[in-house]
Amino acid sequence: ETGVTQTPRHLVMGMTNKKSLKCEQHLGHNAMYWYKQSAKKPLELMFVYNFKEQTENNSVPSRFSPECPNSSHLFLHLHTLQPEDSALYLCASKPPGSPLHFGNGTRLTVT
Amino acid sequence: GENVEQHPSTLSVQEGDSAVIKCTYSDSASNYFPWYKQELGKGPQLIIDIRSNVGEKKDQRIAVTLNKTAKHFSLHITETQPEDSAVYFCAASRDSARQLTFGSGTQLTVLP
Repeated sequence: ETGVTQTPRHLVMGMTNKKSLKCEQHLGHNAMYWYKQSAKKPLELMFVYNFKEQTENNSVPSRFSPECPNSSHLFLHLHTLQPEDSALYLCASKPPGSPLHFGNGTRLTVT
Repeated sequence: GENVEQHPSTLSVQEGDSAVIKCTYSDSASNYFPWYKQELGKGPQLIIDIRSNVGEKKDQRIAVTLNKTAKHFSLHITETQPEDSAVYFCAASRDSARQLTFGSGTQLTVLP
């Protein structure tokens, strides 16, 4: 158990659907991250939140909308996705000066 | 920005043999280099990291070496076991507080 919990583990959605990914950590970390992992590619940083404030948006399309209501929870709202958005979406948290702690990811398939 | 190249993309070794994965980086100001292991169905987990003030670090069967002049660093796994089979990612950043740039991963398979 990593201490970072992601739900759901698997999600299949159509291009017109709206869904949300959830991430939760009770490690007391103040920074939370969304990464996209596609096959045989480096992990792509999408968003960073520090103390609930978004500090980085890595040119992510607006069909991905993050939300961080408190320092323990992070959401990724999805709408009108494309098939190329199919990937493993990883959440991570991090205390200052220490490494990233990843969740086990949500495997997203867009049909 | 930083660019991290990782080789090989796949590696198969016999159980008990050693495995070496290599990464190069482009930003000479990078000084923090972690390695992550990702097992099937799980997220990446940190296995070892090194900072630029040392050239080598060991933890049991795992070691990492860093050559700052050549801007490359390597992961060494000795006496490999089947449970070492996973995808390994290297990464680099200017310090542990900055965003990491990841390599594209190496699928290691340890054959029994």
